[in-house]
Amino acid sequence: EPEVTQTPSHQVTQMGQEVILRCVPISNHLYFYWYRQILGQKVEFLVSFYNNEISEKSEIFDDQFSVERPDGSNFTLKIRSTKLEDSAMYFCASKQGADTQYFGPGTRLTVL
Amino acid sequence: RKEVEQDPGPFNVPEGATVAFNCTYSNSASQSFFWYRQDCRKEPKLLMSVYSSGNEDGRFTAQLNRASQYISLLIRDSKLSDSATYLCVVKGGSYIPTFGRGTSLIVHP
Repeated sequence: EPEVTQTPSHQVTQMGQEVILRCVPISNHLYFYWYRQILGQKVEFLVSFYNNEISEKSEIFDDQFSVERPDGSNFTLKIRSTKLEDSAMYFCASKQGADTQYFGPGTRLTVL
Repeated sequence: RKEVEQDPGPFNVPEGATVAFNCTYSNSASQSFFWYRQDCRKEPKLLMSVYSSGNEDGRFTAQLNRASQYISLLIRDSKLSDSATYLCVVKGGSYIPTFGRGTSLIVHP
């Protein structure tokens, strides 16, 4: 069964550093998403991406965040200057059309 | 009032029990409703969508009450493998989904 993959599974970084979280969505999917989940809290929507542009973003997704689909397979989330409060699990998701979203296993980001 | 509210639990039930979770939402314009399951430190996985007429999938039954703005999930004949956190998700007219904090279920032998 096709699945969304994410790398790395765990990223540790120093405050102020840039990080790039990578996702490979399911190959024929057209819609891509990033979510985050701070430990013990709810899943929060960050951004959706379709047709090579952002279609929706939440208040969390400020100027420190950016997304890119640099080639036909990868979908990345960049955090320019990480803060302690960016520590969380980051989930990528994708879907084909008006159907189920499939989530990746997540990247645990720890900012020291 | 929180946008999507769930009783965090935990609900601690024996195998074979029937358990029900409720979720309330504040936006009366919400259009789509879902239950997801999340195992510890894992990604959310769609359990079922919730339709106005109610729907059933095996041991799981979901219901929507628009007038009172809540959705419910009923699990019959609980299995040990049902132990997880159950997330209520609500979407309005735009794409942006709102997740509840989840209800923790522990099924014991």
